[in-house]
Amino acid sequence: QSVLTQPPSVSAAPGQKVTISCSGSSSNIGKHLVSWYQHLPGTAPKVLIYENYKRPSGIPDRFSGSKSGTSATLGITGLQTGDEADYYCGAWDDTLRAYVFATGTEVTVL
Amino acid sequence: EVQLVESGGGLVNPGGSLRLSCTTSGFTFSDYSINWVRQAPGKGLEWVSLIIGSGNDVYYADSVVGRFTISRDNARNSVYLQMNSLRVEDTALYYCVREGAPYGDARGFWGQGARVTVSS
Repeated sequence: QSVLTQPPSVSAAPGQKVTISCSGSSSNIGKHLVSWYQHLPGTAPKVLIYENYKRPSGIPDRFSGSKSGTSATLGITGLQTGDEADYYCGAWDDTLRAYVFATGTEVTVL
Repeated sequence: EVQLVESGGGLVNPGGSLRLSCTTSGFTFSDYSINWVRQAPGKGLEWVSLIIGSGNDVYYADSVVGRFTISRDNARNSVYLQMNSLRVEDTALYYCVREGAPYGDARGFWGQGARVTVSS
C-alpha cells in the first residue's frame, strides 16, 4: 500500500483521452511538488511531468499535469498504442521522511 | 550525457548480504542527490533510499531501515547500497536514480537496474 492513491487501471480507444488521479495528503502532495513517471515493460521508468505540470523536452504536449490541494492529475490526450504502460505519481512525504510512489495505473489502449 | 550504471546484483540466501554499486558520469556528482528505487516482480515502484550530495543526510524507507545502508564516494562518482539481513521480499530490480536539475525534485535520470534475488 502507498500513501498516494491511483486507480489500478484506465483504458480508452486510440485517439481518446484518459486522466489518472493521484490522491494524497497534506504531508505529501499538499506540501510538495508532484512528478509523474511512465514505465514501459523492459525499460527504465521515465519522468513525464515534474513540478506538477512541467514537461521535459521531448515529452509531447499530449501529456499534461495539474495539482489542486492534495490531489494531482495526469492527462493523456490523443491516446496511442505506444502509451500502453504503467504510470506512477510521486512526491516527497514529510511525515515518512521519504519519497513515495503511488501504486501505479496501467493504461490500456483498446 | 547523464549515465548511471548499477552493478553487484545476484542471487543470495535469505539472511545474506549484498552490496550494490552505482557508477555515474556526465554530471558534477557531488552536486546531486542519488536514490535507490526498486520494483519487485509484479509490483509497482518502491522508493528505497536517498543520499544527498555531500553524503551528510540519508533517508530510508521503513521496509529497509536497520538493514540497508546507503553511502557515496564523491571521488569515485559512485553510490553504494549495502543490503544486510536480506529477505525474500527484497527480491527486485534495483534502480539507481538521480534527482535534481533540470527536473526539480523529480527522479529524472534512471539506470537500467540491477537484479537482486533472495531465495534459498
